[in-house]
This record gives sequence, structure tokens and C-alpha cells, in this order.
Amino acid sequence: GDSVTQMEGPVTLSEEAFLTINCTYTATGYPSLFWYVQYPGEGLQLLLKATKADDKGSNKGFEATYRKETTSFHLEKGSVQVSDSAVYFCALGDFSGGYNKLIFGAGTRLAVHP
Amino acid sequence: DTGVSQNPRHKITKRGQNVTFRCDPISEHNRLYWYRQTLGQGPEFLTYFQNEAQLEKSRLLSDRFSAERPKGSFSTLEIQRTEQGDSAMYLCASSPPVTGELFFGEGSRLTVL
Repeated sequence: GDSVTQMEGPVTLSEEAFLTINCTYTATGYPSLFWYVQYPGEGLQLLLKATKADDKGSNKGFEATYRKETTSFHLEKGSVQVSDSAVYFCALGDFSGGYNKLIFGAGTRLAVHP
Repeated sequence: DTGVSQNPRHKITKRGQNVTFRCDPISEHNRLYWYRQTLGQGPEFLTYFQNEAQLEKSRLLSDRFSAERPKGSFSTLEIQRTEQGDSAMYLCASSPPVTGELFFGEGSRLTVL
């Protein structure tokens, strides 16, 4: 079945460092890909998405490109801030049932220090 | 606040007791989802409603679990005869029919002693 694999955390960075969180997927169809973020004490929030190959999703300085050839959707940010500390989830959207059934990775915790 | 609302936020119960969680979706969203998240893992799909119809249930949803969405508005998730393995965060999400973007609530954490 469809699945998502993301790099294990925690990822610990200093403020203004470059961030990469790796995400790869396995899917039989042509899924949409998502990054969700969960800040401490809050619910999951959509960070960005891409619906087809070579699409780039971007939001709040974060970017990810849908790479069909490598089945990847790595999350990047050029300069992280302390406020980016959160858990990041990569997910694929299986629309085969006519609705957006999300399949999530295990999450990667990011800690940014001043 | 017009987001997805879940209650209670935290429930502690003894093994064998029944618990019920409630989800109030964003008002114009006709699609509603339940997910379960255990420590260190990503959310796992449990079930999906379109309006009042429950259209899909995961194998994770054993016979002790039942979900309803009467009148296509709020939803309840009931767990009967709770077991320690049921301890998890139960997440509700809703989405509009067109974009399909899921909006999640803050979750209801269940602890079974």
C-alpha cells in the first residue's frame, strides 16, 4: 500500500541555519503531496502542498518540490527561526476514493536554538 | 473561533470503561475525518464521513469503536470497553468539497489506566 518515510528526528539547528527534512513516498497512483506542521499545543496545520510532478509548494519561507523520478518531497528552508520549532509531517493524499485520504509519515521534530 | 473543535481535550479512564469524543467541524465543511496518533507516530486514518454517511472505515477501527455524524454536523467517536492500547490522541479534521484541504482540530488525548 501507499506509504511515506521521513527522516528521523530530532533535528537540532541554530537560528539562521539551512533546513532540509527528507521525505520519500511509495504510491501506486499519482498522489498529491503535503507538509503539515504541528506547533507545541496546537493542531496540525497545512504548511504547503504540491499536486503534480515538478510542482513546487511554498509558504512562510519553506519550499518542497514534487520529484516523481526520485519519489521525494523534501522540505527546505534557507534560514530557520526559533519560532519554526515544531513537528513536521510529510503526507500523501490518496484521492482514489473520491476524497482526500491522507497518509502521514512518522513526523520529524525540529528544534531551533538562538 | 471558527476552526475544528474537539472535546474533551484530555480524558483519563480505567480499562473497560466507555469513552466518547465529540468533534464540531468548520460549519461549511461537508467532509469529516477521524485519525489516531500514537506517541512518535504520524496520524493514522480511522474513518471518513461525507455529510451524515460514513463512507470508509479503516481496519484500525475495531468493533469496539463506533463513529456517527447525525444530521451531517458534529461527529462522535465512541470507544467501548477501553484497553490500554487505545491510549492515543484522536484527531478530527474537516474539509470543504472542492479543495479537499483538511483542517485539523487540536485533538482529544485518551489515557487508559
